[in-house]
Amino acid sequence: DGGITQSPKYLFRKEGQNVTLSCEQNLNHDAMYWYRQDPGQGLRLIYYSQIVNDFQKGDIAEGYSVSREKKESFPLTVTSAQKNPTAFYLCASGYPATNEKLFFGSGTQLSVL
Amino acid sequence: QKEVEQNSGPLSVPEGAIASLNCTYSDRGSQSFFWYRQYSGKSPELIMFIYSNGDKEDGRFTAQLNKASQYVSLLIRDSQPSDSATYLCAVLSNSGYALNFGKGTSLLVTP
Repeated sequence: DGGITQSPKYLFRKEGQNVTLSCEQNLNHDAMYWYRQDPGQGLRLIYYSQIVNDFQKGDIAEGYSVSREKKESFPLTVTSAQKNPTAFYLCASGYPATNEKLFFGSGTQLSVL
Repeated sequence: QKEVEQNSGPLSVPEGAIASLNCTYSDRGSQSFFWYRQYSGKSPELIMFIYSNGDKEDGRFTAQLNKASQYVSLLIRDSQPSDSATYLCAVLSNSGYALNFGKGTSLLVTP
């Protein structure tokens, strides 16, 4: 089955620690996205990538970093500079510009210890 | 940042009624609009998209777009308890690649 796999499902971060959220897709999509969702809030764009080795900042990129070394993978690192990292993180791929749906992973809930 | 505004609700309707969900957007140049449904703790799933003024129907769902008023809505006919979820309005951003989401409207369909 084609889809997006996010791991882990739950993640805990200690003070001053960097953590990396994994996102893998086998849909052969060039475009991938990371969104953050806080309780009762919509999705806010962190980073997106249209092609391998290229990515763009979204609306709330501060305190986050990404890489796109392979088409299938788009990992997100939450750095110690992100002072309020507790949120639900969603990875997606697809082409909304052609009115196609975004395919979402099942999400990672990140909490601070 | 371009804004996408939704009433957070909760919107409560009885089973069998029509639920009306509304969304306004600030970027007059926006071209494509999407409605996603999200159950608690789950990922959003696409209900439908619309890009032309007027109505677009898909089963019990109708999306309505009025670009002059910068307004898009979603009607759910014959609402069922299983429709209880948060409905997210999304607008294609200026970049043409990413979606800007509203905060969502919580819908509760009561038996």
